[in-house]
Amino acid sequence: GDSVTQMEGPVTLSEEAFLTINCTYTATGYPSLFWYVQYPGEGLQLLLKATKADDKGSNKGFEATYRKETTSFHLEKGSVQVSDSAVYFCALIRGYQKVTFGTGTKLQVIP
Amino acid sequence: NAGVTQTPKFQVLKTGQSMTLQCAQDMNHEYMSWYRQDPGMGLRLIHYSVGAGITDQGEVPNGYNVSRSTTEDFPLRLLSAAPSQTSVYFCAISDRGRANYGYTFGSGTRLTVV
Repeated sequence: GDSVTQMEGPVTLSEEAFLTINCTYTATGYPSLFWYVQYPGEGLQLLLKATKADDKGSNKGFEATYRKETTSFHLEKGSVQVSDSAVYFCALIRGYQKVTFGTGTKLQVIP
Repeated sequence: NAGVTQTPKFQVLKTGQSMTLQCAQDMNHEYMSWYRQDPGMGLRLIHYSVGAGITDQGEVPNGYNVSRSTTEDFPLRLLSAAPSQTSVYFCAISDRGRANYGYTFGSGTRLTVV
């Protein structure tokens, strides 16, 4: 079946550091890929998405590229801020309601 | 436009009690679903609905019931609460024709069963 694997957290970075959170997936066909962010005490919010191979999703300085050859969708940001501290979830959607989430990666940014 | 509204935000139940978690949406989306979030396990699908009168089971349906009598509401019922149902519950919706645009989540219900 489908699966999403994220790097283990927590990830602790200093402010203005470069961020990479790895995400790889296993799925048949051509899934759409997503990153969601969850701030403390809140629900998940869609951060960015990519619907086909080589697409790059971007939002709020975050980027991720859909790499079909490596089945990856790594999240990157050039300079993190304290306000980016949250839990980040990689997810894929294949078909109408078939959604698979990763286990989440907690990011802590220290001043 | 509130999007997805979940009530209550917090609840403590005793083992064996029943309760209903409410989910209401004002976006006229056909697809509604319930997830539970547990540490180290990501989100797991409990039940979902593709429209009024239609529901189906997800990955972890045991101990939960749902019904969908209107487009707007999708309540989740715990018939006899167990400590294993201690979790954070999220309702998520999607526009049927735009599923690839992602889901909109409610802010969650934190349930503790003692």
